[in-house]
Amino acid sequence: RKEVEQDPGPFNVPEGATVAFNCTYSNSASQSFFWYRQDCRKEPKLLMSVYSSGNEDGRFTAQLNRASQYISLLIRDSKLSDSATYLCAVTGNQFYFGTGTSLTVIP
Amino acid sequence: ETGVTQSPTHLIKTRGQQVTLRCSSQSGHNTVSWYQQALGQGPQFIFQYYREEENGRGNFPPRFSGLQFPNYSSELNVNALELDDSALYLCASSPGTGGAYEQYFGPGTRLTVT
Repeated sequence: RKEVEQDPGPFNVPEGATVAFNCTYSNSASQSFFWYRQDCRKEPKLLMSVYSSGNEDGRFTAQLNRASQYISLLIRDSKLSDSATYLCAVTGNQFYFGTGTSLTVIP
Repeated sequence: ETGVTQSPTHLIKTRGQQVTLRCSSQSGHNTVSWYQQALGQGPQFIFQYYREEENGRGNFPPRFSGLQFPNYSSELNVNALELDDSALYLCASSPGTGGAYEQYFGPGTRLTVT
């Protein structure tokens, strides 16, 4: 069983839409949780950490549900520049990444 | 930019050869992790170095080895290259070990094995 599972998508949404991604993890002892953004043929860039109480950064909201072992990322008012692959990362003694979810925002 | 640098940016090698990839960590970061990212996949953890010692290893064979230097820079060495080793190799630095710290990636080295 994979440590982290993500729906690969692709998600194609119009500008201004709200889109949500989920990521499930298998190890209930996982310590920390992150969302990364990766543009085509570039390195992953840290988007935000995910805290137990949930956290928001502008149009982006991250949530953690320890009971159901998933994290989510909500993007409101999607922009063309949000088009990228979004990777979740879950840590124990190392980082485990999902395969990524592809998002394309359409004009 | 994260301040993590990697060299070279691209590399083409032949099956059976050996390769060395290099990484300089972000200022103030003492921990370096290496990842392999195949096309369409997420980064897979190879190993982590802290204070010049290997501090955790993923499911990679011994022909993948590494070093960390006193200035916290690091090398990834791969011997006896196989076609499946073709991937983007990412280095990430963090201010501490384990999973509690955020990791910041360098631009990667794209390795092609023919």
